[in-house]
Amino acid sequence: KQEVTQIPAALSVPEGENLVLNCSFTDSAIYNLQWFRQDPGKGLTSLLLIQSSQREQTSGRLNASLDKSSGRSTLYIAASQPGDSATYLCAVLWNQFYFGTGTSLTVIP
Amino acid sequence: ETGVTQTPRHLVMGMTNKKSLKCEQHLGHNAMYWYKQSAKKPLELMFVYSLEERVENNSVPSRFSPECPNSSHLFLHLHTLQPEDSALYLCASSLRDRNNEQFFGPGTRLTVL
Repeated sequence: KQEVTQIPAALSVPEGENLVLNCSFTDSAIYNLQWFRQDPGKGLTSLLLIQSSQREQTSGRLNASLDKSSGRSTLYIAASQPGDSATYLCAVLWNQFYFGTGTSLTVIP
Repeated sequence: ETGVTQTPRHLVMGMTNKKSLKCEQHLGHNAMYWYKQSAKKPLELMFVYSLEERVENNSVPSRFSPECPNSSHLFLHLHTLQPEDSALYLCASSLRDRNNEQFFGPGTRLTVL
């Protein structure tokens, strides 16, 4: 069965810290993996997309890595800011898209 | 704001009502998706349209009826819903056979009384 898991469900950090969010998946035969941000009651904003053939992608303070063999991806956020507070979702494309339940991040000023 | 819009943003309806959700994408994509997001649960894929043909229907009850008249517009027709159908309904689009990156709309918050 294809599943995506995100742990922890919630995370609080002081402003300025570097942090890592985790995503694990059950089947390594993926097409791609996408990280999203969701603010309360809003839609999803795409952050980074990693193709199956890639190991990482970077955008500004964000860096996402992919290790298919271990079924893991991480989203690294450098120098966190209060504006980074949101829920971060990981989605994996097999025959269709499967989402994790997200990690709710709070950055404390 | 993304290139995917959804209307209405909020909807309250009774169990006997008929309503429709609308989604429009301005990104030149060729695939569109309906998702349901309930509290504490992963996003659930409901329907996928590729080149205006339905390619996925994940055992969604028939009280939800999708329509895709062209590659830019997607509708979800609602009829005799149940209170447990209350959720955030999200539309997304992508360019299949490229990188398939999904772009989402802001969602419609549906409450069924």
